[in-house]
Amino acid sequence: AQSVTQLGSHVSVSEGALVLLRCNYSSSVPPYLFWYVQYPNQGLQLLLKYTTGATLVKGINGFEAEFKKSETSFHLTKPSAHMSDAAEYFCAVSTFTGGGNKLTFGTGTQLKVEL
Amino acid sequence: SQTIHQWPATLVQPVGSPLSLECTVEGTSNPNLYWYRQAAGRGLQLLFYSVGIGQISSEVPQNLSASRPQDRQFILSSKKLLLSDSGFYLCAWSGSGERNIQYFGAGTRLSVL
Repeated sequence: AQSVTQLGSHVSVSEGALVLLRCNYSSSVPPYLFWYVQYPNQGLQLLLKYTTGATLVKGINGFEAEFKKSETSFHLTKPSAHMSDAAEYFCAVSTFTGGGNKLTFGTGTQLKVEL
Repeated sequence: SQTIHQWPATLVQPVGSPLSLECTVEGTSNPNLYWYRQAAGRGLQLLFYSVGIGQISSEVPQNLSASRPQDRQFILSSKKLLLSDSGFYLCAWSGSGERNIQYFGAGTRLSVL
């Protein structure tokens, strides 16, 4: 079975500082990996995805993530945090089943950006 | 372009009352559809998914049920709500072209009192 672990339920950074949100996964097959962002009382928005090919993937709002198979990790980074990045971030792994796919989510990391 | 609608946005219901949450998708055909629940501090839990009309798979035994009466309509229901049914309910869809990517609605905040 697939699983996702997000280290740190709360992360606080200063505006302009590096953002690093950690995600480790467990999968019995080559994984498809995702990062989603959720602003208060809203749905989830896809930030970026890894399916196959280049292991460094770029997403919206300046975020990127690197798939490291040997470390079973898919950490999310952004070089310079902005106040508007404050939100909850979810890492997810995809499992194909019966013609569809299911996402298994981590428990989320709340990012706080301080002046 | 594709859009997904969920309603209502918020709902306050007494224990023991029925529930019906609706989700519709526009701009695509034969989508996979999903219902998730997000409880405070617990991430997202997949409740149901559907790969076609009338085809429902349940992931977690619970007080809820789902139905798909039309290709782009997905309904979450309960006959009698429990306090533990409170949470944020999210509907999602994935398209026939990229089944592995799910797109989410804005969610329904349900409070059972």
